[in-house]
Amino acid sequence: NAGVTQTPKFQVLKTGQSMTLQCAQDMNHNSMYWYRQDPGMGLRLIYYSASEGTTDKGEVPNGYNVSRLNKREFSLRLESAAPSQTSVYFCASSAREGYEQYFGPGTRLTVT
Amino acid sequence: QQPVQSPQAVILREGEDAVINCSSSKALYSVHWYRQKHGEAPVFLMILLKGGEQKGHEKISASFNEKKQQSSLYLTASQLSYSGTYFCGTEEDSRDNFNKFYFGSGTKLNVKP
Repeated sequence: NAGVTQTPKFQVLKTGQSMTLQCAQDMNHNSMYWYRQDPGMGLRLIYYSASEGTTDKGEVPNGYNVSRLNKREFSLRLESAAPSQTSVYFCASSAREGYEQYFGPGTRLTVT
Repeated sequence: QQPVQSPQAVILREGEDAVINCSSSKALYSVHWYRQKHGEAPVFLMILLKGGEQKGHEKISASFNEKKQQSSLYLTASQLSYSGTYFCGTEEDSRDNFNKFYFGSGTKLNVKP
């Protein structure tokens, strides 16, 4: 039982490059989330998926897209990376909206 | 809307107590508390629901005043292992189909021997 897994753990991109962050959970959770965490700041919600087949914007969705591939997997795509997207990205899941969230280990992304 | 946490940072000696506050300008359905150690992912501590009771977790407990949209986390007889950054997360009580969820900016707790 791995919980929430994320790949990759580290990534360096050049401005304008694209990439996809992968997230998977094995807890049969309905809801999944993508957050970013900048130094000295809390977690800001980028996108979430309340259930399989649905996605919605969070606080800071600009520059990102998501796909809820199936119940287990929720990916985050940066189409054209910008230095302002340098951050630590966390994926989380919960049994349903409003329930406790379980976080993955995070992806540290640097855009130069 | 992002809740406001106070204080931003606390330094304690082992065995001392601390209180961390979280307040929102919106009506709340629930408040979550998480702890994050340096370089790690946040870990869930507890959830307090509107109309629910005060929760406890070993020597860490919390209260939720839904009329004031405020929650407090109480750490008693602190241990070295309590060090980390504590985040509250607030679920706004909405008439829409979904309740928006926001994390506060965190309170950094440092427990010294």
